[in-house]
Amino acid sequence: ETGVTQSPTHLIKTRGQQVTLRCSSQSGHNTVSWYQQALGQGPQFIFQYYREEENGRGNFPPRFSGLQFPNYSSELNVNALELDDSALYLCASSRGLENEQFFGPGTRLTVL
Amino acid sequence: RKEVEQDPGPFNVPEGATVAFNCTYSNSASQSFFWYRQDCRKEPKLLMSVYSSGNEDGRFTAQLNRASQYISLLIRDSKLSDSATYLCVVNGLIGTGGFKTIFGAGTRLFVKA
Repeated sequence: ETGVTQSPTHLIKTRGQQVTLRCSSQSGHNTVSWYQQALGQGPQFIFQYYREEENGRGNFPPRFSGLQFPNYSSELNVNALELDDSALYLCASSRGLENEQFFGPGTRLTVL
Repeated sequence: RKEVEQDPGPFNVPEGATVAFNCTYSNSASQSFFWYRQDCRKEPKLLMSVYSSGNEDGRFTAQLNRASQYISLLIRDSKLSDSATYLCVVNGLIGTGGFKTIFGAGTRLFVKA
């Protein structure tokens, strides 16, 4: 086990709603990255937080936002949910920006 | 052109075979490189980091060629338990100091008895 936890494990929402996903990083890690993985594809980088600041962002619209807390845990918020947001959302933590990332089990989001 | 491209799969090999995966990346400012494996409906798990000097871990060998922007993974003496999707991962700089992690689409490996 990596020590990275995510909640909830599964979630069903309807189009237009808002959702918050949570991630606790591995002890000693100060960087958290979030990914979206659709079926049959590789994870797509949403953004990365380092020491409570957004440090990098992929090609996702502003309705995807995040936070990192002083204990390095993190949240991913998605507003105005669309059907295409249905995916596995993965969080990964690392010690610094360039180092190996360790993944949590993911949150499977279904938007109806 | 995709930022990280991997061999399309799937690869179907018998037990004991040697199999090689290749990956190319487009951002010459990329800083670090990894191989992950992902089992069906599970999270990716780190397999190994990739260095210019190459690195080996048991049956697995990874190589990086910065000049050609190319990464490889070799699996020797394949086991049934090696069946999984193998993901190439590149960390690169974007803009002024931000980082972006790019995964390849993955190559599916089936090892058969």
